[in-house]
Amino acid sequence: GENVEQHPSTLSVQEGDSAVIKCTYSDSASNYFPWYKQELGKRPQLIIDIRSNVGEKKDQRIAVTLNKTAKHFSLHITETQPEDSAVYFCAARSQAGTALIFGKGTTLSVSS
Amino acid sequence: ETGVTQTPRHLVMGMTNKKSLKCEQHLGHNAMYWYKQSAKKPLELMFVYSLEERVENNSVPSRFSPECPNSSHLFLHLHTLQPEDSALYLCASSSSTDTQYFGPGTRLTVL
Repeated sequence: GENVEQHPSTLSVQEGDSAVIKCTYSDSASNYFPWYKQELGKRPQLIIDIRSNVGEKKDQRIAVTLNKTAKHFSLHITETQPEDSAVYFCAARSQAGTALIFGKGTTLSVSS
Repeated sequence: ETGVTQTPRHLVMGMTNKKSLKCEQHLGHNAMYWYKQSAKKPLELMFVYSLEERVENNSVPSRFSPECPNSSHLFLHLHTLQPEDSALYLCASSSSTDTQYFGPGTRLTVL
């Protein structure tokens, strides 16, 4: 089955800096890669996603890139703000199944 | 934020108790999921139901028993749990090719 590795597990940046979180997946049939943000005490919420027919997608300060050959994808947050502090999860879904398999999460801390 | 609801939000139970967690989705989705979230294994998939049929069971102990009576409701029946089962239990739903939306979770404590 699918396995998703996520790095780093913790990331601390200064306000205004960029943050990059990387994930690798094992199943070459995977075709959907969402990123979730989970604030303390709240549910995970989708912030951006990318499908296997696209190499990059942007939404304001957030971007995701996908390298299907290397089986890895990354989340890029520019001009970070304190409210970006949260746990971020990457996920992958194989073409054969419907469930998302999640990475172990990255705790991002943005200090002002 | 009311698309997927879960009750109760908090539950404390003894190891000999039987309790049930409830999830309801109002999004017209046809797939529902149970995830366990703990410090050791964040967002660990437990069960998947698609069109009310269980399609995936990730080797979950039999003390957890899911039930999906229709496409809008999902239950997780709990009995003779262990303290290590204490965690946040998250329900999610999706349409077959779309992303998953999570409920707020049930914080379970097993004494």
